[in-house]
Amino acid sequence: ETGVTQSPTHLIKTRGQQVTLRCSSQSGHNTVSWYQQALGQGPQFIFQYYREEENGRGNFPPRFSGLQFPNYSSELNVNALELDDSALYLCATNTEAKNIQYFGAGTRLSVL
Amino acid sequence: QKEVEQNSGPLSVPEGAIASLNCTYSDRGSQSFFWYRQYSGKSPELIMSIYSNGDKEDGRFTAQLNKASQYVSLLIRDSQPSDSATYLCAVKYGANSKLTFGKGITLSVRP
Repeated sequence: ETGVTQSPTHLIKTRGQQVTLRCSSQSGHNTVSWYQQALGQGPQFIFQYYREEENGRGNFPPRFSGLQFPNYSSELNVNALELDDSALYLCATNTEAKNIQYFGAGTRLSVL
Repeated sequence: QKEVEQNSGPLSVPEGAIASLNCTYSDRGSQSFFWYRQYSGKSPELIMSIYSNGDKEDGRFTAQLNKASQYVSLLIRDSQPSDSATYLCAVKYGANSKLTFGKGITLSVRP
């Protein structure tokens, strides 16, 4: 049990729609990172938030955006969904002192 | 482009054997190295972290790091069918930075 909770577990959307994925973690986990994992691939870094500010971004277009809230929860928003956005989306959190990222169970997004 | 390579696989070993999983990385500035296990349909689960050259043992698992060769490996002794999963190598380039993952190696342990 990592203490990182993601919702929803599964989601089906159609191309062009918008989606919001959510992540919550334990108190003190002030860094949250989001990853996209396509089938058969390793997770790819989308972006990271630290103390509610974006702290690094991977090679993803601006239609991928995020937020982190004072209660350590976080959102990943994806606009104008494309078929290739179908993937497992993973949230990982860590404290400032700990170098280790712990993952939530993920959200499986299917875009039809 | 900072890369993490896991080229071998899938890997199949008999129950009780030693499974050896290998990983190379491109950036010499890498500071932290991790092995995650991922069962089908599940999220990655941390099994080992290593930061210094040499070996680190935890139960049946041993991580080995060689920064000069930019190489990190995971040995699983006395492999069990429950070890059958995809093993992801991940590298961190700074204290509060992202993880860069390899593609993963799928291990199958035959009863």
